[in-house]
Amino acid sequence: SYVLTQPPSVSVAPGQTARFTCGGYNIGSKSVHWFQQKPGQAPVLVVYDDSDRPSGIPERFSGSNSGNTATLTISRVEAGDEADYYCQVWDSSSDHWVFGGGTKLTVL
Amino acid sequence: QITLKESGPTLVKPTQTLTLTCTLSGFSLNTSGVGVGWIRQPPGKALEWLALIYWDDDKRYSPSLKNRLIITKDTSKNQVVLTMTNMAPVDTATYYCVHIMVRGVSSPFDYWGQGTLVTVSS
Repeated sequence: SYVLTQPPSVSVAPGQTARFTCGGYNIGSKSVHWFQQKPGQAPVLVVYDDSDRPSGIPERFSGSNSGNTATLTISRVEAGDEADYYCQVWDSSSDHWVFGGGTKLTVL
Repeated sequence: QITLKESGPTLVKPTQTLTLTCTLSGFSLNTSGVGVGWIRQPPGKALEWLALIYWDDDKRYSPSLKNRLIITKDTSKNQVVLTMTNMAPVDTATYYCVHIMVRGVSSPFDYWGQGTLVTVSS
């Protein structure tokens, strides 16, 4: 089955840029979606189809996808961005949905 | 506006069957392209996709759990029901229902319920 690999944690200071990677075999050929989950809350979609933002998501959130790595970037990080971030794809070969293990963002 | 709300028992005993209901609002499962799925999250752990049902009654199950899962829909009540048999402590998790609108090769889970915590313990 398809596997997505995310680093367990990322730490950045306020105002800096946070980057979250999501590794998978030839992930560049898939559409990657990203979710933000704050403690005690349901996940929220922040980027879909690699780089599109749903309505209401700040432009500070952006995404890219190429080769074996997809990346979510948060510019000008704020304390309120502290959360877990999950990548997700649909694996066409098995017709199943797969999540990465998640990355915890700590704002220093 | 689209909302989903999970309901069901908060505590089940090992070997019992869990039945969870997702009540939909703001959309219909009769609408072409609509799907509703279930995702769970054990405490402190990652999200895990479980099952999904489409407007046309097509269904998909996680390969690791498919022998224990059944997903059904009741369009008259605008509800989706997930049944999971032979529950064990490792199934303790928050269970979320999610909305998806199929519009291409891959579509995101764009709306989530608040989740319901199910604890498996004797």
